[in-house]
Amino acid sequence: DAMVIQNPRYQVTQFGKPVTLSCSQTLNHNVMYWYQQKSSQAPKLLFHYYDKDFNNEADTPDNFQSRRPNTSFCFLDIRSPGLGDAAMYLCATREKQRKTQYFGPGTRLLVL
Amino acid sequence: GQQLNQSPQSMFIQEGEDVSMNCTSSSIFNTWLWYKQEPGEGPVLLIALYKAGELTSNGRLTAQFGITRKDSFLNISASIPSDVGIYFCAGDSSNTGKLIFGQGTTLQVKP
Repeated sequence: DAMVIQNPRYQVTQFGKPVTLSCSQTLNHNVMYWYQQKSSQAPKLLFHYYDKDFNNEADTPDNFQSRRPNTSFCFLDIRSPGLGDAAMYLCATREKQRKTQYFGPGTRLLVL
Repeated sequence: GQQLNQSPQSMFIQEGEDVSMNCTSSSIFNTWLWYKQEPGEGPVLLIALYKAGELTSNGRLTAQFGITRKDSFLNISASIPSDVGIYFCAGDSSNTGKLIFGQGTTLQVKP
C-alpha cells in the first residue's frame, strides 16, 4: 500500500545533541511537509519542499533544518535540541495538483 | 493571520448518539479537509471537500462544504467507542498548498 513512513516512531535525545528524523513516501508526491505538534494543539508547519524547492516558515527556528535528497525521502535535522523541542513531528505529502495532504504516523521526540 | 474556529472544543457522548462539529472562518476557503487523530498517531484523512455546497459521506461520517465557503461541518452518526480521538478541520484558502488547522474537537464516547 502506498504510504508515508516515519522512522523512528519514538526518539530520545539529550539536550543539545543533534538528532535527525526521517520520512519516506511511496506515493510519489511532489510536495513534502514537516510539522511540529505539541500536546492538545494543532500541527504547526515548519517547512515544506515543493519538488526540490525549500520553503521555510518565517517563525521556524534556525535550529531546525531539512534535507530532501530525492522525491521519496525527507529529513528533519534538529541541530541543538532544547527541552521545548519535545513534541510529535509529523511528515505529510501532497500531490502537486491536489490540495489533500497525507500524514505519516509521526515521530515523538523526547529531550532529556 | 487566517484562523479557523472549530467547535465544540470537546464532547463526551454516549455510544449510539450522533455527533456534530463545525469550523468557521472569516475568510473564504477553497478546500476543506477533515482529519481524525488518535493518541500517538498522525492525522488520518476522513473526508476532503473541494466545492461550495459539496456534501460527502464516508460510512457513518458526513461532511459539507458551506455555501459561503467560510464554514464546514462534520457529522458522525451512531457513534461507537472507536470514534474516540481528536478531529481537526483544515482548509486551504490561498492555493499555496498550506493548510490552516482548526483547534481540534476531542471526542470521547462512553460505551
